[in-house]
Amino acid sequence: DTEVTQTPKHLVMGMTNKKSLKCEQHMGHRAMYWYKQKAKKPPELMFVYSYEKLSINESVPSRFSPECPNSSLLNLHLHALQPEDSALYLCASSLIAGGPNEQYFGPGTRLTVT
Amino acid sequence: GESVGLHLPTLSVQEGDNSIINCAYSNSASDYFIWYKQESGKGPQFIIDIRSNMDKRQGQRVTVLLNKTVKHLSLQIAATQPGDSAVYFCAEKDSSASKIIFGSGTRLSIRP
Repeated sequence: DTEVTQTPKHLVMGMTNKKSLKCEQHMGHRAMYWYKQKAKKPPELMFVYSYEKLSINESVPSRFSPECPNSSLLNLHLHALQPEDSALYLCASSLIAGGPNEQYFGPGTRLTVT
Repeated sequence: GESVGLHLPTLSVQEGDNSIINCAYSNSASDYFIWYKQESGKGPQFIIDIRSNMDKRQGQRVTVLLNKTVKHLSLQIAATQPGDSAVYFCAEKDSSASKIIFGSGTRLSIRP
């Protein structure tokens, strides 16, 4: 299994809503990542988890709250988002965070904040 | 700061021709490089990678060339097909770090 899955595929939420994005991989990878991608731009790193611990937070606003319940799962909890947070949210995983290891990406969740 | 950039934002090629997508990087500490393909509505898909101890690596219809002297990376796609239409991102990594840095992307379009 060389797949990273993400749910939901699409999400529309109001600025007062609370929602969560989910990501799962069963490749035995110990590093997982959240990226945000705006149209016609490259992915921007948000968070890195290494061995289920948060190792990098790229100064992301606190309305985005990541969680890694176990080595296969990664969540992104959303609360009080702004319309400018509308984007494609990508999850990725790699064998480990360091070293020459490629990251495998999921299909993304298309988020629209109204 | 460090950046990975591309020389051409868009590239249009005739079906069946070879495509060459170029990328410049500036972080001399980068020792691992990756090419990703992203189709519309999908996540980036790994195509091929190369480590800094190599200058060429070949895959199925794709070849990556690395010139460390001028900090340049290229992706060659042989016999370009309609299914190759996508945005291509180069990415660089310092293996001592956790982050990969993406270039700005090149959109490849195929003329029939």
